[in-house]
Amino acid sequence: DTEVTQTPKHLVMGMTNKKSLKCEQHMGHRAMYWYKQKAKKPPELMFVYSYEKLSINESVPSRFSPECPNSSLLNLHLHALQPEDSALYLCASSPLTGRLQETQYFGPGTRLLVL
Amino acid sequence: QKEVEQDPGPLSVPEGAIVSLNCTYSNSAFQYFMWYRQYSRKGPELLMYTYSSGNKEDGRFTAQVDKSSKYISLFIRDSQPSDSATYLCAMRLNIGNEKLTFGTGTRLTIIP
Repeated sequence: DTEVTQTPKHLVMGMTNKKSLKCEQHMGHRAMYWYKQKAKKPPELMFVYSYEKLSINESVPSRFSPECPNSSLLNLHLHALQPEDSALYLCASSPLTGRLQETQYFGPGTRLLVL
Repeated sequence: QKEVEQDPGPLSVPEGAIVSLNCTYSNSAFQYFMWYRQYSRKGPELLMYTYSSGNKEDGRFTAQVDKSSKYISLFIRDSQPSDSATYLCAMRLNIGNEKLTFGTGTRLTIIP
């Protein structure tokens, strides 16, 4: 299994809703990432988990709450989002080999629309 | 000045042409360079990676890095309509730093 899977593919939510995005990988990777991508822009890093510990938080608003229950799973809990949070949310993983040739593998993304 | 500059395009070329995509960067500490391809409404797919100056070839794709000029390129030979996508360059600092810095992406269309 050499892929990163994300569910759901699409999500529409109101500003008062609570929802969660899910990401899964079975490649034995020990780092997992959340990115946000707006149309015609590059991915923006939100969070990094290394060995199931939050290692990077790029000053993301608290209405986004990440969770890493185990080394294969990564969740992003959403609460009280704003319309400007509508975007493609990408999950990625990398092996954390400690080698320079470390690469990140992306999932297909969840397209989120906040009404 | 952005850390990584990439011409956003759009770039349209006829099928069979050679495509040249480029990025420049300002931080000489970047050591590892990648090219991702992203089809519309999909996640980025890793195409090529390299960590030294010089060329790396994989099929129709060649990645070139010139660290002295802080310039990287991706060449696509015999371009196909299926190559139509957005191409993102990305770079990383040293070992232990997982953060990728992306270029803005170049939107490429191959015309049959």
